[in-house]
Amino acid sequence: QSVLTQPPSASGTPGQRVTISCFGSSSNMGSHTVNWYQHLPGTAPKLLIYLDNQRPSGVPDRFSGSRSGTSASLAISGLQSEDEADYYCEAWDDSLNAMIFGGGTKLTVL
Amino acid sequence: EVQLVESGGGLLQPGGSLRLSCAASGFTFSNYWMHWVRQAPGKGLVWVSRIYIDGSRTRTTYADSVKGRFTISRDNAKNMLYLQMNSLRAEDTAVYYCARYYLGMDVWGQGTTVTVSS
Repeated sequence: QSVLTQPPSASGTPGQRVTISCFGSSSNMGSHTVNWYQHLPGTAPKLLIYLDNQRPSGVPDRFSGSRSGTSASLAISGLQSEDEADYYCEAWDDSLNAMIFGGGTKLTVL
Repeated sequence: EVQLVESGGGLLQPGGSLRLSCAASGFTFSNYWMHWVRQAPGKGLVWVSRIYIDGSRTRTTYADSVKGRFTISRDNAKNMLYLQMNSLRAEDTAVYYCARYYLGMDVWGQGTTVTVSS
């Protein structure tokens, strides 16, 4: 059981908008920013969003992030088949004195 | 090209030891926190450890699951990151990734596989 809670799965059809949630607590997302990663099996994870809502260069603006209190979300608009992957939130936790990942959400494009 | 390349993975028995290496290139290695992250078969990403050398002080942090068994280190002169893993357990079986951290883990290696089995 991860300290950051994500739904295990999400799905959408091409062109649709999908959101993935991440719930934490005051010791992690309540105090620190959140990052999001995309991971396709057999490849290196990729940083999608940093500092809650910033996109690294090269990440399409279809991807957006937000954080409010102890929860965060990743939104993907204009869903494409290549978006099918696992998505993880990540934040520092003061109580654990450790970095933590959410359990991951498997996104399926129907 | 900014790149991280892990090596050193393998198959070993419970209780054994292994040292993973991560070779960095294309950036000023000493300027960054470096992390190890692992993914067990069929499971999600799990953070393992991080390291930074601030002047003469080495700063390290570990996940509780590896504290006392794993040691992270780096050689900034050689642009190398290491993870010494002792007293290995079956639950340490995973793909191990090294990652550079700047506002997020923005550069990752391709991973090296560690299998602990009798």
